[in-house]
Amino acid sequence: EVQLVESGGGLVQPGGSLRLSCAASGFTFSSYWMSWVRQAPGKGLEWVANIKEDGNEKYYVDSVKGRFTISRDNAKNSLFLQMNSLRVEDTAVYYCARDYDSSWNDWGQGTLVTVSS
Amino acid sequence: QSALTQPASVSGSPGQSITISCTGTSSDVGGYNYVSWYQQHPGKAPKLMIYEVSNRPSGVSNRFSGSKSDNTASLTISGLQAEDEADYYCSSYTSSSTPWVFGGGTKLTVL
Repeated sequence: EVQLVESGGGLVQPGGSLRLSCAASGFTFSSYWMSWVRQAPGKGLEWVANIKEDGNEKYYVDSVKGRFTISRDNAKNSLFLQMNSLRVEDTAVYYCARDYDSSWNDWGQGTLVTVSS
Repeated sequence: QSALTQPASVSGSPGQSITISCTGTSSDVGGYNYVSWYQQHPGKAPKLMIYEVSNRPSGVSNRFSGSKSDNTASLTISGLQAEDEADYYCSSYTSSSTPWVFGGGTKLTVL
């Protein structure tokens, strides 16, 4: 059974940093692209970033370019999102998701990031 | 404003069929067969219902179907059931600087 478990969310002040983690199990992690997708409170889904199987290609939504960095550790079956210069509008539940057939077939339960002073 | 346009809400009675539209441009929905649909119940993670326009993942009811015409994709749910009440989101690959975009979401109410 595929499992994706996010952690690392919490309350942070504007301008601060946070590192999210996603622990993957139940599949060959190193064989799949992985994504982060977020959802602001009461709002819709927004794709944030994804990373190729070997970590050599990464893509981001325009609003986080230069502030967020996606990375992975295939030896530890883990996905990360380093978030710097956080803004109030980054407040959201952040989901880790497995890319498959140009879609996201498996999702974690999400971790809440709140940016507020 | 979302890159893909969905109606804010749709409704139907049990047993009826409904269709949710997802309108984009030739740079996303119209240009690629990489449209997917997600169901999300309150407080839960999204669930993939349709991928690559019209394919159903294993385990998804055949009451759910997808299609596309020009720049508009559609999700049809037939034989509506109470448990279908949820938010639905479309997504597409896009040739813009942000490779993946979602629609704003549609709230389905089963009357």
